[in-house]
Amino acid sequence: GAGVSQSPSNKVTEKGKDVELRCDPISGHTALYWYRQSLGQGLEFLIYFQGNSAPDKSGLPSDRFSAERTGGSVSTLTIQRTQQEDSAVYLCASSYGGASLNEQYFGPGTRLTVT
Amino acid sequence: DAKTTQPPSMDCAEGRAANLPCNHSTISGNEYVYWYRQIHSQGPQYIIHGLKNNETNEMASLIITEDRKSSTLILPHATLRDTAVYYCIVRVDSDYKLSFGAGTTVTVRA
Repeated sequence: GAGVSQSPSNKVTEKGKDVELRCDPISGHTALYWYRQSLGQGLEFLIYFQGNSAPDKSGLPSDRFSAERTGGSVSTLTIQRTQQEDSAVYLCASSYGGASLNEQYFGPGTRLTVT
Repeated sequence: DAKTTQPPSMDCAEGRAANLPCNHSTISGNEYVYWYRQIHSQGPQYIIHGLKNNETNEMASLIITEDRKSSTLILPHATLRDTAVYYCIVRVDSDYKLSFGAGTTVTVRA
């Protein structure tokens, strides 16, 4: 079946602009995660959605970052007033039911470059 | 979370076994050892995990020392498609926040 998809695959934006990154999880997966990966920082957790529960936003680096998950499926990660340090690959993952490390399936990521 | 130490890189011949070491000397009793890999331009992929017993699945085997301070991931017959960065992490099984650092860059050569 179809895996996790993300769009766009690449995004170049000017400093100060807002960007929206999209994630389509695997059908039937109730849990959705956003991560970012940069050369200097490795893989960092950003936010976790599970069903109708309040999301775990503990990894969001600043209030410029926000995410929504509408209808329990598609999710959008929004970065406002982008900064050069936001340049990274943003990864989305999804899983069935309760969260666990070994069941997270990742998308290919969106490479964000802030100029 | 316990920290892990891995060699930065290693080469392996195609068709041979690849043995990837990981040190986790501060691992707690309830922490599992997980291995992931990331092929260039793709998202991370789960490989295997274990608590204290050795584990095997269709992708690899995981050997954990009796004192649990280190482990080895074994790719039994490496192929060119196994060229990737391999990450060893330790986590309690209820922790869903995946994170890793540099890992081991494995290059399989024909």
